[in-house]
Amino acid sequence: AQSVTQPDIHITVSEGASLELRCNYSYGATPYLFWYVQSPGQGLQLLLKYFSGDTLVQGIKGFEAEFKRSQSSFNLRKPSVHWSDAAEYFCAVVTNNDMRFGAGTRLTVKP
Amino acid sequence: EAQVTQNPRYLITVTGKKLTVTCSQNMNHEYMSWYRQDPGLGLRQIYYSMNVEVTDKGDVPEGYKVSRKEKRNFPLILESPSPNQTSLYFCASRRGLAGYTGELFFGEGSRLTVL
Repeated sequence: AQSVTQPDIHITVSEGASLELRCNYSYGATPYLFWYVQSPGQGLQLLLKYFSGDTLVQGIKGFEAEFKRSQSSFNLRKPSVHWSDAAEYFCAVVTNNDMRFGAGTRLTVKP
Repeated sequence: EAQVTQNPRYLITVTGKKLTVTCSQNMNHEYMSWYRQDPGLGLRQIYYSMNVEVTDKGDVPEGYKVSRKEKRNFPLILESPSPNQTSLYFCASRRGLAGYTGELFFGEGSRLTVL
């Protein structure tokens, strides 16, 4: 069955440090992949998406993600984290027209 | 402004008292869906609708009902709520197959507590 795994439940980084959030998917064909962010008390906001083409995609708020077919991964990165990036991040894959989400990674940013 | 609107945002109720969470979108999207979010489980789909009068079960449909009588509205009905339905609920919508991008647009969530 198609699935999305986010291995890290909680990550803490210092402000200004780099960030990488991991996402692995299980899907036979080339998937549509997404990263969403959920700030406290808010809905989910799209950060970026991958459909095809260039495997490095740029998103909003300075985030990027790289699709690696050989590793079935779609990791999210940011070179320098800001305190406002503290939130929960969800990786998602579209399969059969339905979106499936990972369990999420909660990001804490230390001053 | 393009948006998905859910009401109520917060609700505390008691076991067995029927309730409805409304969802409305103003983007003329064909597809709408309900998710519940629980710690450590991410978002799980409850029901979805591909278009008016077309609905189908998601991964966790037990205890819920939906209807899609109009394109813009997709209410979630809990006929007899139980404490295990205490959760954060999200409504979402997207385009249908024409102009499909896969991107879901989410409401701000409805936090439901069943005592």
